[in-house]
Parts: sequence; C-alpha cells; structure tokens
Amino acid sequence: NAGVTQTPKFRILKIGQSMTLQCTQDMNHNYMYWYRQDPGMGLKLIYYSVGAGITDKGEVPNGYNVSRSTTEDFPLRLELAAPSQTSVYFCASSYSRGGLIINQPQHFGDGTRLSIL
Amino acid sequence: GENVEQHPSTLSVQEGDSAVIKCTYSDSASNYFPWYKQELGKRPQLIIDIRSNVGEKKDQRIAVTLNKTAKHFSLHITETQPEDSAVYFCAASRQGAQKLVFGQGTRLTINP
Repeated sequence: NAGVTQTPKFRILKIGQSMTLQCTQDMNHNYMYWYRQDPGMGLKLIYYSVGAGITDKGEVPNGYNVSRSTTEDFPLRLELAAPSQTSVYFCASSYSRGGLIINQPQHFGDGTRLSIL
Repeated sequence: GENVEQHPSTLSVQEGDSAVIKCTYSDSASNYFPWYKQELGKRPQLIIDIRSNVGEKKDQRIAVTLNKTAKHFSLHITETQPEDSAVYFCAASRQGAQKLVFGQGTRLTINP
C-alpha cells in the first residue's frame, strides 16, 4: 500500500492564482483531514471529512474549499491565493468503525510545500 | 474549544540521558492523546498514543503518562540516541470527534 499520497510536493503561486492540492489514500479509511503547518509551529486543521459526500470545517478554513466525492480522494482548493497561505500542507487519514466511535491514529502524507509570492 | 500547550519549545540533552516533554489540555472531554515525531522535511509519524482509560503506556524506550485530573500528559524518552533528534508534537481529541488539536511542538536535540 502507498498509504496517503499528496501531489504536488512543491508549488509556487502568484497572489490571486488558484490551485488544487491533491490527496489520495489506498487504505480504505473513512476519515480524511487537511492540516497546514507554518514554520516552527504545530499543525492546524483546515477541513476534514467523515466519509464520501460529508465535509466539515476545522480551525482555519477561511480561503479554502474541499470536496469528497470518493472514499479515496480529498482535494483541497485554494481559490484566491494570498501570502498568508504560504505553508506546508499535510493530508491525513484514519479509520473509525461504526457504533461506538473510537479515535484511531491518523496517517499523514509527505506534504505539499506551497509558496505564494 | 480544545487548547493544547506544549513545553518546552526546545530541549537539548546528552546522548544516553532522558528527555521529558509535557503537554496540558483544556477540554476535560478529551480522551485520546497521540504523540508524533517529525524529522526535518518529513511527515509527522505516530510514535505512541494513550487513551484516557490508562495512566501510562510504554513502548521500548518511549513512555507516555496521563494525569486526567490535572489535564496533562508527558512523553518520556530514555537512553536517548542521535536518531531521536526531531520535533515532537502532542495532540488531543475527544472520543468520536477524530479531530486532533496539536501542541506547538518541541525541538529535541541529542548531543553526542
């Protein structure tokens, strides 16, 4: 299994441009997440999804959009890139069984390093 | 919402000594506490986690302790080695919420 795969690994954008960060997982995990990590800081949750067709906001959702049309894919969209969105973006996934939902470890991708100039 | 504070922000220890990193959380409903290790330019990787129904968990040289009353948990690394040098993050979440709130990270340096 490849685990969680993110593309691209690096990208430079101009202010006002848009782009989509891709994330796919092959572990059949129902939960998927997007985090951003600013230099020297912890990870902050942008959006998450509990399954196909269901998404919800995290701590820092402004300026981003997501969709979850399949179990495997969870793309993150930046519509109007701003310098404040310069960061490293990590996608993660986890699996939680139905019924009593028990927190399970999250598995991370290698990240996308995004610079906006 | 949940807030996780992590200390210290940097820690330097001699090879072979022990290292301790501490985190406090604010939400008494949090019950899952993972620790992640992140090497420079790499992804965060889970090294150990603990749930609120236990007070301590060990895995070889790594241990985590949890004090629910005081709302703090700690990572203990014994017999440190150069490959332990990395940034370590604690996190917390409520049962069923699946959303993790991360601490700010601790940069651990092991001096030979």
